[in-house]
Amino acid sequence: DSGVTQTPKHLITATGQRVTLRCSPRSGDLSVYWYQQSLDQGLQFLIQYYNGEERAKGNILERFSAQQFPDLHSELNLSSLELGDSALYFCASSVRQGRETQYFGPGTRLLVL
Amino acid sequence: GDSVTQMEGPVTLSEEAFLTINCTYTATGYPSLFWYVQYPGEGLQLLLKATKADDKGSNKGFEATYRKETTSFHLEKGSVQVSDSAVYFCALSDFRQGNEKLTFGTGTRLTIIP
Repeated sequence: DSGVTQTPKHLITATGQRVTLRCSPRSGDLSVYWYQQSLDQGLQFLIQYYNGEERAKGNILERFSAQQFPDLHSELNLSSLELGDSALYFCASSVRQGRETQYFGPGTRLLVL
Repeated sequence: GDSVTQMEGPVTLSEEAFLTINCTYTATGYPSLFWYVQYPGEGLQLLLKATKADDKGSNKGFEATYRKETTSFHLEKGSVQVSDSAVYFCALSDFRQGNEKLTFGTGTRLTIIP
């Protein structure tokens, strides 16, 4: 158990819908990262937050957004969902920025029908 | 940009066999290197890491040495067990470029048969 929690574990929805994925980092961790794992794209970095502020962006679609709240939990919002958004979405956290190990949550499996 | 190339899988070995999973990288800076493991139905767990050239990361019998001259970080284990069956990901992060994201390889699925 990494100490990072993600909810829900599974999510099934329809095209065009909007969903919110939630992540609680390890106690004391200030950085949160979101990754997408899909069969065709592999594991890709989406976005990072540090202590409530956006730190870095990767291959995140404009239909996707995220935020980190004062209690340091983070939410990833996916809207206007397409079939191709079906994937495993991971959250990771680390203590600070820089040369720190990232600890991963169990992931949320999203299926868009 | 940064990239990681991993040995294609799947890899199937008998118990107690020697394991090598090759990993090479391309980075503009001086990255830290990682091996993560994903067991069925679970998230990624850090297996080992190395932060500078010639460093050797080790954990649970697995080892990998950061080779700057060959830009490699091959994963090895002397005697694998059935419980090692999982998907292994090589990854890098180049903090000096101010970019803390992990760049992953495609993953290598390892199956150990008794």
